[in-house]
Amino acid sequence: QVQLQESGPGLVKPSQTLSLTCSVSGGSISSGDFYWSWIRQSPRTGLEWIGYIHNTGNSHYSPSLQSRLTISILTSSNFFSLRLASVTAADTAIYYCARTSGISWSLDSFPLWGPGILVTVSS
Amino acid sequence: QPVLTQPPSVTGAPGQRVVITCTGTSSNIGAGHAVHWYRQLPGTAPKLLISGNNNRPSGVPDRFSVSKSGASASLAITGLQAEDEADYYCQSFDSSLSVNYVFGTGTKVTVL
Repeated sequence: QVQLQESGPGLVKPSQTLSLTCSVSGGSISSGDFYWSWIRQSPRTGLEWIGYIHNTGNSHYSPSLQSRLTISILTSSNFFSLRLASVTAADTAIYYCARTSGISWSLDSFPLWGPGILVTVSS
Repeated sequence: QPVLTQPPSVTGAPGQRVVITCTGTSSNIGAGHAVHWYRQLPGTAPKLLISGNNNRPSGVPDRFSVSKSGASASLAITGLQAEDEADYYCQSFDSSLSVNYVFGTGTKVTVL
């Protein structure tokens, strides 16, 4: 079955750019009508949807993060990625990649998640 | 950033029924968007427990059920078991500002 795995640095300095990759295995990232998502969790903000991207490249970002955020997808290599610029300590969190249920915006859940990666923003 | 409100904790004895509430607004649950529930064990990712109107993934017992009224939703656990001890989160779509998904604040279920 399809599995997701996050990778990237666990420590990022303030003001730098956080970059993570989500590798998709067991299926093609181009199959189906799914949106490939990033979600983060911290004691301060709880679970927070960051944004997502379709295999066509169509993307949507959280209004609170969109000025610093870029999500991209590389279908030939079966992964998608996250770049969050100008990070602060408030961006310290466990970052999860996830896939939507592929129904519609109004009805979508997140039935598939990666194990998560802890990213700490500190000098 | 809109958020769904849940009680921080709920406690029950084995065999009892507990209910977790999830309160939203007219731009998410109140707008008729689906509500989904997740269970999270320590050190692991949230796992989808029930989606929409009582759609349970394979392996989730029917002791778990959901309901929705107005801008609120509820998750009920009947016949509480020790293995139900976990954090539970609700999730919905919010249409106040473009595409946006919102999660609940989370509820810790403790089994006495």
